[in-house]
Amino acid sequence: DSGVTQTPKHLITATGQRVTLRCSPRSGDLSVYWYQQSLDQGLQFLIQYYNGEERAKGNILERFSAQQFPDLHSELNLSSLELGDSALYFCASSVTGGDTEAFFGQGTRLTVV
Amino acid sequence: DAKTTQPNSMESNEEEPVHLPCNHSTISGTDYIHWYRQLPSQGPEYVIHGLTSNVNNRMASLAIAEDRKSSTLILHRATLRDAAVYYCIPNTGNQFYFGTGTSLTVIP
Repeated sequence: DSGVTQTPKHLITATGQRVTLRCSPRSGDLSVYWYQQSLDQGLQFLIQYYNGEERAKGNILERFSAQQFPDLHSELNLSSLELGDSALYFCASSVTGGDTEAFFGQGTRLTVV
Repeated sequence: DAKTTQPNSMESNEEEPVHLPCNHSTISGTDYIHWYRQLPSQGPEYVIHGLTSNVNNRMASLAIAEDRKSSTLILHRATLRDAAVYYCIPNTGNQFYFGTGTSLTVIP
């Protein structure tokens, strides 16, 4: 158990819909990262937050957004969903940034039908 | 971002040591070198990280070249549970960029 909790574990929704994925970081970790992993793309970095502020942005679509709340949990919002958004979405947390190890949750498997 | 080159796949016999190489010739002086692994259907798992000196922990050892352009992850005795994709990640800034990694097969 990494200490990072992601909910829900599985999500099935229709095209055009909007979903919210939730991540609770390890106690004491200030950084949260979001990744997308689809079969043909590998692990793609989406976005990073540090203590409530956006710190880095990767290949995140404009239809996607995220935020980190004062209690440090984070949510990833995916809207106008397309079939191609079907993937595993991972959240990770670390104490600070690249000088410390990151711990990953078990992921949310999103299926868009 | 620092680019990495890793073998696509490697095989090892169970109970034998495994040396997983990574080239990161464009690494910057402040980038830590991280290694993660991912078992099927699981989230990536931290293995080890270091800056300049060789590092050891309960899972593995990390040997870093003097010029820091390459590193080697050493699993001292491979077990079947070590079969996974191993990623070498020079951490640029704060985000972790995963490449394609090395798929390790452990042969009983």
